[in-house]
Amino acid sequence: QVQVVHSGAEVKRPGSSVKVSCKTSGYPFSSFYMHWVRQAPGQGLEYMGIVNPRQNYINYARKFQGRVTMTWDTSSSSVYMELSALTSEDTAVYFCAREIPATSYFDYWGQGTLVTVSS
Amino acid sequence: QSALTQPASVSGSPGQSITISCTGTSSDVGGYDYVSWYQQHPGKAPKLLIYAVSNRPSGVSTRFSGSKSGNTASLTISGLQAEDEADYYCSSYARSNTYFFGTGTKVNVL
Repeated sequence: QVQVVHSGAEVKRPGSSVKVSCKTSGYPFSSFYMHWVRQAPGQGLEYMGIVNPRQNYINYARKFQGRVTMTWDTSSSSVYMELSALTSEDTAVYFCAREIPATSYFDYWGQGTLVTVSS
Repeated sequence: QSALTQPASVSGSPGQSITISCTGTSSDVGGYDYVSWYQQHPGKAPKLLIYAVSNRPSGVSTRFSGSKSGNTASLTISGLQAEDEADYYCSSYARSNTYFFGTGTKVNVL
């Protein structure tokens, strides 16, 4: 069955960077897109970007351009999201979510990784 | 634009039907039939309820249905049950290969 497992919670200082990972299994990794979405405490969902491993395509939401880097490792069926220049406003749960190509919806979500930015 | 507009909360009694609206623009909701809906219980990941405006994935109750008119999409929950108490989010594809989420609606079962 499809599984999407996140890396563990992180505590970071303002100005530093964080790298969150999702390890997938149960499906052909390169055949699907993966998106990143975050949710600040008590707030709504916020879209961050997409990776398409098969076509080597990445697109970031405008708000995060210049500060986010999304990558993948086909050998371990994992995707990664690195966010730099952290501030307290980046405190959130970061989710990865799978998309069947060209369907524009997210059918499987990871459990999320809590990133806390605090001095 | 950064988010689609949803009512902050909607309430209903068990057995009743409720409808949650999701208003965007012609560049997102109105421009594509790529609206999806997600249910999120506290501390959990979102769960897909509806995709492509009105389609239900296998395993999702038929009590959930979706529709769209112009720039506004809607999610209807029929036969409201206690387990439906959760947060609900719409999402839409937008131009430039990005997505917007709705502001979220808390459903209260009275």
